[in-house]
Amino acid sequence: AQSVTQLGSHVSVSEGALVLLRCNYSSSVPPYLFWYVQYPNQGLQLLLKYTSAATLVKGINGFEAEFKKSETSFHLTKPSAHMSDAAEYFCAVSANDYKLSFGAGTTVTVRA
Amino acid sequence: DGGITQSPKYLFRKEGQNVTLSCEQNLNHDAMYWYRQDPGQGLRLIYYSQIVNDFQKGDIAEGYSVSREKKESFPLTVTSAQKNPTAFYLCASAPGETTNEKLFFGSGTQLSVL
Repeated sequence: AQSVTQLGSHVSVSEGALVLLRCNYSSSVPPYLFWYVQYPNQGLQLLLKYTSAATLVKGINGFEAEFKKSETSFHLTKPSAHMSDAAEYFCAVSANDYKLSFGAGTTVTVRA
Repeated sequence: DGGITQSPKYLFRKEGQNVTLSCEQNLNHDAMYWYRQDPGQGLRLIYYSQIVNDFQKGDIAEGYSVSREKKESFPLTVTSAQKNPTAFYLCASAPGETTNEKLFFGSGTQLSVL
């Protein structure tokens, strides 16, 4: 079985500041890891995914995440926050068993 | 445009009533999923289907039922046995049978109890 833990249910950053969202996973097999973003009253959109090709994964909208096996982490970062980054972000893990397990989510607010 | 369509956007259920949420996709995807979203709990898997006429229970299947008679359709019925149905329901699909593929999500249905 696999699971993810997202540290911090709410993150507030200033526009132009670094965005850092934390995700730790557990998996009995090499995992596939994902970050999704959800805007209010909408479905989820994929930001990026890790599938063992490279430990640093670049996604859309300037986001990237680094897979660290020793720390079982897959933290999401963006160097400079924009107002449009305000949303809820979900980390998810799959152990290739047809199911995707999501974390509880982190809501990002951006201060002008 | 290809995508996933969920309807209705808002749905109200009376006590003891069964309601059905619609999910249709024109992406020719094999796999389809239903998730329930509650504030602060993320998404929890209700049911999933890897192929037509086959589906499996997810982590919280009690009080729900599904069918997969056509590749493009995966309706979810919330039965009267589900005592706390108020939530945001998301349908998703994926091209393959494995979840190293990204999921494509619909825009969701908000279900509330009258």
